[in-house]
Amino acid sequence: QVQLVQSGAEVKKSGSSVRVSCKASGGAFSKWAISWLRQAPGQGLEWMGGIIPIFGTSNYAQKFQGRVTITADESTYTAYMDLARLTSEDTAMYYCANNYDGVFDTFETWGQGTMVTVSS
Amino acid sequence: EVVMTQSPATLSVSPGERATLSCRASQTVSNNLAWYQQKPGQAPRLLIYGASTRATGIPARFSGSGSGTEFTLTISSLQSEDFAVYYCQQYNVWPNFGGGTKVEIK
Repeated sequence: QVQLVQSGAEVKKSGSSVRVSCKASGGAFSKWAISWLRQAPGQGLEWMGGIIPIFGTSNYAQKFQGRVTITADESTYTAYMDLARLTSEDTAMYYCANNYDGVFDTFETWGQGTMVTVSS
Repeated sequence: EVVMTQSPATLSVSPGERATLSCRASQTVSNNLAWYQQKPGQAPRLLIYGASTRATGIPARFSGSGSGTEFTLTISSLQSEDFAVYYCQQYNVWPNFGGGTKVEIK
């Protein structure tokens, strides 16, 4: 059974950066499309971008272009999301999720979420 | 960007009753529409994709319909575990979500 396990909660200062990891167990990691999504407290879901490890290329939502970097390490079955220049508006739960067909459409298995809190 | 609008924001339903949730796209998304369920403190769970296909393990009381710009999620007989927030999501272009419908106990 595929599981995605994310790194722990983070507290960051405004202007700094954060890295969240997502480690997969089971399944053909390299062929998946792995996305990062976020959810601000009490709000809806927002797709930030994703990567297909076997191709190594990332795609980003326009809102996050230039501020987010998504990478993957096939040797450790781990995906990473780096978000720079944090503000209080980046306070949210961050999720990784995969698509087994290697396309950025639906999100089939989800990580447990990582809470990122940005304070001034 | 395709704007996804869900209605109502909150739906009050008694257990055993039918719930009908709506999702509208600002432009056609064909049948590239998914529904998710999210309970408090949990990650979302995929219910429906392709507008009407249930994901693995999803009970038959959940059904989806629609195409183009108008979509519906129906829960035929609400169980206690179905009270949650439901999101629609289009994937005709880059993915984005509606604002959600909270299904609460009446």
